[in-house]
This record gives sequence, C-alpha cells and structure tokens, in this order.
Amino acid sequence: EVQLVESGGGLVKPGGSLRLSCAASGFTFSNAWMSWVRQAPGKGLECVGRIKTKTDGGTTDYAAPVKGRFTISRDDSKNTLYLQMNSLKTEDTAVYYCTTYRPLPPNSAFDYWGQGTLVTVSS
Amino acid sequence: EIVLTQSPATLSLSPGERATLSCRASQSVSSYLAWYQQKPGQAPRLLIYDASNRATGIPARFRGSGSGTDFTLTISSLEPEDFAVYYCQQRSNWFTFGGGTKVEIK
Repeated sequence: EVQLVESGGGLVKPGGSLRLSCAASGFTFSNAWMSWVRQAPGKGLECVGRIKTKTDGGTTDYAAPVKGRFTISRDDSKNTLYLQMNSLKTEDTAVYYCTTYRPLPPNSAFDYWGQGTLVTVSS
Repeated sequence: EIVLTQSPATLSLSPGERATLSCRASQSVSSYLAWYQQKPGQAPRLLIYDASNRATGIPARFRGSGSGTDFTLTISSLEPEDFAVYYCQQRSNWFTFGGGTKVEIK
C-alpha cells in the first residue's frame, strides 16, 4: 500500500523558514517523480513544485509565487522528499500535500497524496 | 498561466441523480486534464486522468470527456459517498487547478 506521510508543519513568523518532510513507502521511491501541492484554508489547490527522478535528471521546477524561496529535494536512500521554505509570507499559509506525479499513463496525474501538514505563517 | 474555470460552483442533487460538472480552459490543454474528488478533512483523490481515463479503482459511474478547452465530469447516479468537492487540473503547461465544484445533497 502506498503511503506518504508529511511532517514538519507548524507556526512560523513572516520571514522565517521551515522544512517539511514526506516519508514514502509502498512503492519504489527512487523511480517516482514527486511534487508538493498546497491548499490555503478554504481555498483551492496549487502545485508548489516538482522534482524528477535522478534517472530523469533530478531537476526541479517551481510555481512562480515560490520560485527562489522554496527548494524541493529528495533522499532516495531514506525514501524521503523535502520542501525547504525560506522567506515565508502570510500567503504561504496552507496545508501542504506531498504527492507522486506520473508523467505517463496509467494514472498520469498527481496519483497518490499524503494527508497533508499545516503551515501557518503569522506574527 | 492556463486558467481553469469550473461550473457550477455548487450543484445540489439527490442520491441517484446524474451530476454533470464542467471545466473550461483559457487555452487548449489537449487531453492533459485530470479530475479529483476531495472530501472535508481529506486529501484529494485522483478520479480521471488524460480527460477520459478512470484511475485505478475508480467506479464506472465516473466518466470524463472532452478535449481542447471544454471538459465534463459525469457521475451517472450519485451515491451517498459522492457528495464532495471536485477539481479539474491541467498538465499541458505547468499545473493549474480549477476553483472546484461542490456537489451537495439537495
């Protein structure tokens, strides 16, 4: 069974930093493209960024609102995905979901999701 | 940025009725469109990928159709567990999501 378990959320002041982790199990993590998707309270969904497998270059891409402030990384030896968030703003307040992303069929979309971790940016 | 507009915002229906949800893209996304279901306090769940393909384990009452800029998610006969918020999402140019349609019990 695929499991994605996020951790590291909490309350942080504007301008502060936070690192989220996502522990993956039930599939071959090193073969999976991964992403972070966030959802502000009562709002819709936004993809924050994506990381490819090392086989596919290990490159990362980010949404415009977080580019230069957020960094996605992966440790395939620990089956763990990370999201380093710096220079946090109040508008970054959201539940952050770790997801797998399949670029090819079947299930070519964000196919598995964690339960999410809440990040609150407030003074 | 490709904008996805979902309509209606809210759909009030009874169990057993047919639900028709619309998603319109600001420019063509070919068939690179997915649909997700989200219940309160839960993560989204993938229903449909590439416009018309049901994801693993999704019941046949969920059907996706469309291409280019106009897409539809049809739930043929609503079950009690289908009352939720539904989002469309494109992967033609980065990733964007629609604003959601809430299917509520009438």
